[in-house]
Amino acid sequence: AQKVTQAQTEISVVEKEDVTLDCVYETRDTTYYLFWYKQPPSGELVFLIRRNSFDEQNEISGRYSWNFQKSTSSFNFTITASQVVDSAVYFCALSNSGGYQKVTFGTGTKLQVIP
Amino acid sequence: EAGVAQSPRYKIIEKRQSVAFWCNPISGHATLYWYQQILGQGPKLLIQFQNNGVVDDSQLPKDRFSAERLKGVDSTLKIQPAKLEDSAVYLCASSYGQGGPNQPQHFGDGTRLSIL
Repeated sequence: AQKVTQAQTEISVVEKEDVTLDCVYETRDTTYYLFWYKQPPSGELVFLIRRNSFDEQNEISGRYSWNFQKSTSSFNFTITASQVVDSAVYFCALSNSGGYQKVTFGTGTKLQVIP
Repeated sequence: EAGVAQSPRYKIIEKRQSVAFWCNPISGHATLYWYQQILGQGPKLLIQFQNNGVVDDSQLPKDRFSAERLKGVDSTLKIQPAKLEDSAVYLCASSYGQGGPNQPQHFGDGTRLSIL
């Protein structure tokens, strides 16, 4: 069975601070995919990044960076120099490897950036 | 490209009434998903279509929920009769191709359902 744990329920930071959102996953698959989605107050989930289990290279995209560590089953997300527009709920998700996609979402971390 | 369209945006009904939601996926996306998101939780998959066939409906409460995707394009999700615990946001998503494990899903704005 797949499981995604986002232990941080809510985080508040002051604008321009860096913040890291934690994600720990469990799966028996050797090949799998990890995702991060952002859900702003408007409600729509927005795809941010996809990573497959064979690619442990960290990725940076502007102020966003992701640290994938297979040894600890973690896929953490860091926002550098946070902005008010980053305020949202962030979901980490895990997908199986074979056949059709079966995604398990974490419970989300609500990030509030205070001006 | 146009995103996933959902309607209505909000719906308030009394328990035991019926309700229907509509979703139009991104053009060309063969795979369509319906999720239920209860406040404070992550989305839970209710049903997944590949074209007009059901791929996974293992978590759909079939005694009261039904969904269809005629012609493999838009889809409707119905609840009949509604219960208080059905209060949630219902999200529709679509993905390119056959919904392979590596495909990101594109979500609509959702329908917020409140049961009185």
